[in-house]
Amino acid sequence: KQEVTQIPAALSVPEGENLVLNCSFTDSAIYNLQWFRQDPGKGLTSLLLIQSSQREQTSGRLNASLDKSSGRSTLYIAASQPGDSATYLCAVRGSQGNLIFGKGTKLSVKP
Amino acid sequence: NAGVMQNPRHLVRRRGQEARLRCSPMKGHSHVYWYRQLPEEGLKFMVYLQKENIIDESGMPKERFSAEFPKEGPSILRIQQVVRGDSAAYFCASSPSEQGATEAFFGQGTRLTVV
Repeated sequence: KQEVTQIPAALSVPEGENLVLNCSFTDSAIYNLQWFRQDPGKGLTSLLLIQSSQREQTSGRLNASLDKSSGRSTLYIAASQPGDSATYLCAVRGSQGNLIFGKGTKLSVKP
Repeated sequence: NAGVMQNPRHLVRRRGQEARLRCSPMKGHSHVYWYRQLPEEGLKFMVYLQKENIIDESGMPKERFSAEFPKEGPSILRIQQVVRGDSAAYFCASSPSEQGATEAFFGQGTRLTVV
């Protein structure tokens, strides 16, 4: 059974810092891995999708890496801003088709 | 191309009533997934549907919960005889026809409160 773990559960940083969020999964047989952002009381916004054959994806200040063999992914956020404050969710898609989520990392960027 | 549309955004039901949650996938998407999010917890998979078919309902409670995705119209998640423990945010996601390697897009969710 696939399990997804995100560390840390919460993170508080001053504005301008670079930071890394971690995601690990127990079953390496995945189709892809997706990072989402969720603001309080809102839905999920897709940030990056990494296919199982890819090593990383970049979008603006965000960079996500995937090491399928070790069951790990990282989300790197450069030059963090207060507007980046949100909960970041990692999810993997397996052969069943559905996404399995971690519990998320709650990020707070202080001005 | 509108995103995944869920309605209502907020729903209040008394214990014992029925709750009906609707999800219209993105245009061209024929795969729909329902998830439940309890306060301070992650999203838990409930059910995966394609048009007129339930593909995987392994995350769905055995009683009181049902889901459908008819040929025409939105997908419906139905909760009968709601209890306080059903209070949660329910999210719907959709994907294009090709399973597996495609990106999932989520709606804004329906927040169900049982009083």
